[in-house]
Amino acid sequence: QLQLQESGPGLVKPSETLSLMCTVSGGSIRSSSYYWGWIRQPPGKGLEWIGSMYYSGSTYYNPSLKSRVTMSVDTSKNQFSLKLSSVSAADTAVYYCVRLVVRGSHMDVWGKGTTVTVSS
Amino acid sequence: QSALTQPASVSGSPGQSITISCTGTSSDVGGHNYVSWYQQHPGKAPKLMIFDVSNRPSGVSNRFSGSKSGNTASLTISGLQAEDEADYYCSSYTSSSTLEWVFGGGTKLTVL
Repeated sequence: QLQLQESGPGLVKPSETLSLMCTVSGGSIRSSSYYWGWIRQPPGKGLEWIGSMYYSGSTYYNPSLKSRVTMSVDTSKNQFSLKLSSVSAADTAVYYCVRLVVRGSHMDVWGKGTTVTVSS
Repeated sequence: QSALTQPASVSGSPGQSITISCTGTSSDVGGHNYVSWYQQHPGKAPKLMIFDVSNRPSGVSNRFSGSKSGNTASLTISGLQAEDEADYYCSSYTSSSTLEWVFGGGTKLTVL
């Protein structure tokens, strides 16, 4: 069964870059049937789509975050990553990596999430 | 990109049925059949409950059902059980100028 695991620093300073990695196990990231993406949830708030990407490198970003987001994939390591620049306290959230089904666009597999706090 | 509109909260007694609505636009909910619903218990990751408007993943109880009319999708839970108490989110993909995904604001379901 495919599993996703987020990893990265739990604390980031304001104005710096948040970097997270998602490791895919139990399946290949090189699948034409799926996108790979990031979702975040600020404390006590709802879910927000950050971005999605295809294993070939095509990326799709939330317009409200687009200027600060970069996603990339390393197929040799079965991993994909998120970088969010110029962070502020508003970027404090639980960050989830997800698998999205291309035919349907639903998120069928979720990582457990990792908490990132932006604070000096 | 605007969030889909859900009621902040709904409640029901065990055994009853409840419906949660999710209103969007013709660019997202009303434009295709790619609406999904997620259940989230406190401190846990969301779980896919309904995809493509009305399909259930393997393992999800048939007490959960989905539908859509125009720009509004709905999630119905019948035979409410205590373990259904959770937050529920709808989601849709939107094909405006590029591919984007959008969530509803979430609905807190309380089982009385």
